[in-house]
Amino acid sequence: GQQLNQSPQSMFIQEGEDVSMNCTSSSIFNTWLWYKQDPGEGPVLLIALYKAGELTSNGRLTAQFGITRKDSFLNISASIPSDVGIYFCAGQLPTDSWGKFQFGAGTQVVVTP
Amino acid sequence: NAGVTQTPKFRILKIGQSMTLQCTQDMNHNYMYWYRQDPGMGLKLIYYSVGAGITDKGEVPNGYNVSRSTTEDFPLRLELAAPSQTSVYFCASSYSVLTDTQYFGPGTRLTVL
Repeated sequence: GQQLNQSPQSMFIQEGEDVSMNCTSSSIFNTWLWYKQDPGEGPVLLIALYKAGELTSNGRLTAQFGITRKDSFLNISASIPSDVGIYFCAGQLPTDSWGKFQFGAGTQVVVTP
Repeated sequence: NAGVTQTPKFRILKIGQSMTLQCTQDMNHNYMYWYRQDPGMGLKLIYYSVGAGITDKGEVPNGYNVSRSTTEDFPLRLELAAPSQTSVYFCASSYSVLTDTQYFGPGTRLTVL
């Protein structure tokens, strides 16, 4: 499958700081999704993006669908302890129309008080 | 609604043993998926189903089998367990091909020794 490069792999931040992570690929995607996974749980969808340039917010989270359609960004503002977890991006190729996704390897976020 | 449930939560198998990972959803979703998650990697699609009686291979189907006799259940079968199948397995479901409706179960952690 196509490779999604997600960075950074991990980040240690202080409570109150802003967090930025991104996902890039050499392929064009129709859809970008951002998930959060808590320890011992399955991923939970945070934000879905469907159009190039789209900027969508969900509380303190903001994600953008890159203009080139080859990347996406997720920002978390004013981090709190419960933001700890692994954040995954997922992209849907134009040839995969039924809900099939490529997943990034995840960004581990650790928040210290 | 319970959402997507998976059993067991943990299992240790010996090489060559077989087992079935159970997945049930009570949301009347048509689409169901099985993923595996290896350390430091994104989710890889094993098999998927678009409705009762219809299944198809995903990205990494070798060593696995599935069936979909009802809308609610989508079991994953390992016939001859191998150490390479040590992973965390997630089942997911969605109502349609719309990408923002995929719900994940809590996962099954499988170790093959």
